[in-house]
Amino acid sequence: GENVEQHPSTLSVQEGDSAVIKCTYSDSASNYFPWYKQELGKRPQLIIDIRSNVGEKKDQRIAVTLNKTAKHFSLHITETQPEDSAVYFCAASMREVTGGGNKLTFGTGTQLKVEL
Amino acid sequence: NAGVTQTPKFQVLKTGQSMTLQCAQDMNHEYMSWYRQDPGMGLRLIHYSVGAGITDQGEVPNGYNVSRSTTEDFPLRLLSAAPSQTSVYFCASSAAGLAGSGYEQFFGPGTRLTVL
Repeated sequence: GENVEQHPSTLSVQEGDSAVIKCTYSDSASNYFPWYKQELGKRPQLIIDIRSNVGEKKDQRIAVTLNKTAKHFSLHITETQPEDSAVYFCAASMREVTGGGNKLTFGTGTQLKVEL
Repeated sequence: NAGVTQTPKFQVLKTGQSMTLQCAQDMNHEYMSWYRQDPGMGLRLIHYSVGAGITDQGEVPNGYNVSRSTTEDFPLRLLSAAPSQTSVYFCASSAAGLAGSGYEQFFGPGTRLTVL
């Protein structure tokens, strides 16, 4: 099955700096890579996702890059703010065209702390 | 539109007891999944369903049963609770779609279960 590794497990940055979280996956058939943000005691919420036919996607201060050859993808947060403090999870899925479902394999999470 | 709802929010069981965690969604999503979240281990897939009457096992299915009699509901049953099942349980749903359409999984608020 799919295996997703995520680094670092904790990340502390100064407000305004950039943060980068990296993930690798094992199954070359995976084609969908979402990133979730989870605040303490809350549910995971999707912040950005990328599909295997795209190398990079950006949404305001958040961007994700995908390298299919190396089987890794990264989350980039620029101009970090205190409200970015949370746990971030990467995930991978072999999303099929029809049927099959959407089984996500998650990384173990990164605790991001943005310090004033 | 309530999205994905879960009950109860909190539950304490004694070893050997059984119970059912409820999950419902009102978005007419075909796909529904159950995950458990343990510290340092991310979210792990227990069981999933691609439609009414169809279920399959995920990464950690032992000790849990599911059924999907309607599109809206996807209950998770603990047959004989064990301390190792102490965790936070999240239900999620997503549309089936085809390649190019939205893949986002929407999570419920979670159920915090403690088994003594």
